[in-house]
Amino acid sequence: DQQVKQNSPSLSVQEGRISILNCDYTNSMFDYFLWYKKYPAEGPTFLISISSIKDKNEDGRFTVFLNKSAKHLSLHIVPSQPGDSAVYFCAASAFYAGGTSYGKLTFGQGTILTVHP
Amino acid sequence: NAGVTQTPKFRILKIGQSMTLQCTQDMNHNYMYWYRQDPGMGLKLIYYSVGAGITDKGEVPNGYNVSRSTTEDFPLRLELAAPSQTSVYFCASSYSRGGYTFGSGTRLTVV
Repeated sequence: DQQVKQNSPSLSVQEGRISILNCDYTNSMFDYFLWYKKYPAEGPTFLISISSIKDKNEDGRFTVFLNKSAKHLSLHIVPSQPGDSAVYFCAASAFYAGGTSYGKLTFGQGTILTVHP
Repeated sequence: NAGVTQTPKFRILKIGQSMTLQCTQDMNHNYMYWYRQDPGMGLKLIYYSVGAGITDKGEVPNGYNVSRSTTEDFPLRLELAAPSQTSVYFCASSYSRGGYTFGSGTRLTVV
């Protein structure tokens, strides 16, 4: 039962263009969403997050959009740079729903982003 | 500032052998986690801890054990290694909601 899904295993974009990475979830208890970036031979690093009370959060070139009715979120990177080439993981948690989440995250399968110069 | 340190980085085990994956954090985080990453499968939670002396199972705990005697250390024990445990293992710590700091991972192969 994959509660968080990233249906695109890979994405290739040209430098300077927009990268859009998508994520779908099924658990309606999820109320906090995060994106992590992972380079080879390194651990994932936190990129950006959004709580369910918002529909958009921006941080520099990165914007996350949340559509609660569709149970869908997306990460926009504008403009894309070759250094953005990495695996991107979407993650979700039920932080506000109750006291037992303890920060546990459910991850998607990841999307490999390649940005060509 | 070391963050989360995992050792070893690589290991090859024979079926039935045992080993401990070490994880240490220096950020005084209460929450610590062990995840495994299989190809195309994302990260799956094995065990987690909300503080010294308190641990609980995650999504895929079978074949593993943990302990948390101090805030800093959260070792993961494999008692009887099986090929299905071939994976990359990540330890993480956090102070609250999702602000994870991950270690660089341990790549384990069971043959």
